[in-house]
Amino acid sequence: DIVMTQSPASLAVSLGERATINCRSSQSILYSSNNKDYLAWYQQKPGQSPKLLIYWASIRQSGVPARFSGSGSGTDFTLTISSLQAEDVAVYYCHQYYNTPQTFGQGTKVEIK
Amino acid sequence: QVQLVESGGGVVQPGRSLRLSCAASGFTFSNYVIHWVRRAPGKGLEWVAVVSSDGTNKWYADSVKGRFTISRDNSKNTLYLQMNSLRAEDTALYYCARIKNIGDVWFVFDYWGQGTLVTVSS
Repeated sequence: DIVMTQSPASLAVSLGERATINCRSSQSILYSSNNKDYLAWYQQKPGQSPKLLIYWASIRQSGVPARFSGSGSGTDFTLTISSLQAEDVAVYYCHQYYNTPQTFGQGTKVEIK
Repeated sequence: QVQLVESGGGVVQPGRSLRLSCAASGFTFSNYVIHWVRRAPGKGLEWVAVVSSDGTNKWYADSVKGRFTISRDNSKNTLYLQMNSLRAEDTALYYCARIKNIGDVWFVFDYWGQGTLVTVSS
């Protein structure tokens, strides 16, 4: 199984500041035939179900604010919230869909400092 | 609008069974693949099982293989998860989640239900 490791486990950021979450896969999730990274990011707010933010490592899902961006390739990926808003308090998960079983990171909790 | 509504969770003793349902609406159910994903208390998300859109092909996480059975009834727009021989480690919030693209089995999840809680305890 591909192990997804997120860091940090939690972080506190001031409103309007940048938040950066890292995700590392135990093997490359870049598919050479289409040059796509099989990596997604989800946001789960307290008491809610997960919401898709990013797929193919950097493509924003429709309706997701532009302050959310994804980057990286191969085994190292980053989710950046450029200017943290109060409504961004949540747990964020990375997810690889490169092979079966699909696996998720353990989550990163983002709070307001 | 797209809706997924899970039901069937509850408190059950180890070794007993439970059947979860996921009722779908707002889209053509038979065109889409829907997975079960769970989140144990204090832990991250874990993929559980998936069935193809026509119900013929099924895949399971090793942790539930041989104990859980996934199925779907396209005439009722409903996905099921039959859970037998339940263990304490199966305690979790169980979500059904839809695959974003028609026809894809393995891709990202664009809609999730609110989850149904399963607690396995004596």
